[in-house]
Amino acid sequence: EAGVTQFPSHSVIEKGQTVTLRCDPISGHDNLYWYRRVMGKEIKFLLHFVKESKQDESGMPNNRFLAERTGGTYSTLKVQPAELEDSGVYFCASSPNLGTLREETQYFGPGTRLLVL
Amino acid sequence: GNSVTQMEGPVTLSEEAFLTINCTYTATGYPSLFWYVQYPGEGLQLLLKATKADDKGSNKGFEATYRKETTSFHLEKGSVQVSDSAVYFCALSDPRAGRRALTFGSGTRLQVQP
Repeated sequence: EAGVTQFPSHSVIEKGQTVTLRCDPISGHDNLYWYRRVMGKEIKFLLHFVKESKQDESGMPNNRFLAERTGGTYSTLKVQPAELEDSGVYFCASSPNLGTLREETQYFGPGTRLLVL
Repeated sequence: GNSVTQMEGPVTLSEEAFLTINCTYTATGYPSLFWYVQYPGEGLQLLLKATKADDKGSNKGFEATYRKETTSFHLEKGSVQVSDSAVYFCALSDPRAGRRALTFGSGTRLQVQP
């Protein structure tokens, strides 16, 4: 079974440009999460999809970030326009939906390393 | 809000040494606790987890016990190997409170020397 995949693995852009990151979750996983790790600090939550719906977007830093999950399969995270402080590693994770009181394991992708110059 | 604090690295050990990486947490509910590991050039992998007090998670020789009274989940291994060199992240979630997203610590880099 294929794991979580992310594309691209690396991206180098200039300040003000637009970048779109893609995440393909494990097939059948309803939950999809985006996280990022900036400047070697802690990994921080960005948002959570359940199928195509945004369940929790409390971690999105500002309106320059737009996440979509059309059709409830893969997801994209667009940064427009990118700023220097957006540099970091963006992780995607997915998990199956086992009900509200059961713990499910989140499976992470390898991450996209974004550098904004 | 929820938070996780773990010891800063890097931690440098010789092969076969005993490892402890401290992790403490603050949570408003009754969280589940996790250790994730990131090997060089790879993504995050779940190492072990515990979902209730006094549970012990274990995997690959690593262990951590959920201590509610001290709000801790310290990671231990009796004899580390060079292949254990990686970054270790302590994390929590609180699905019973509707919070499935993981809250991570800042990560601890472990370097094991032969």
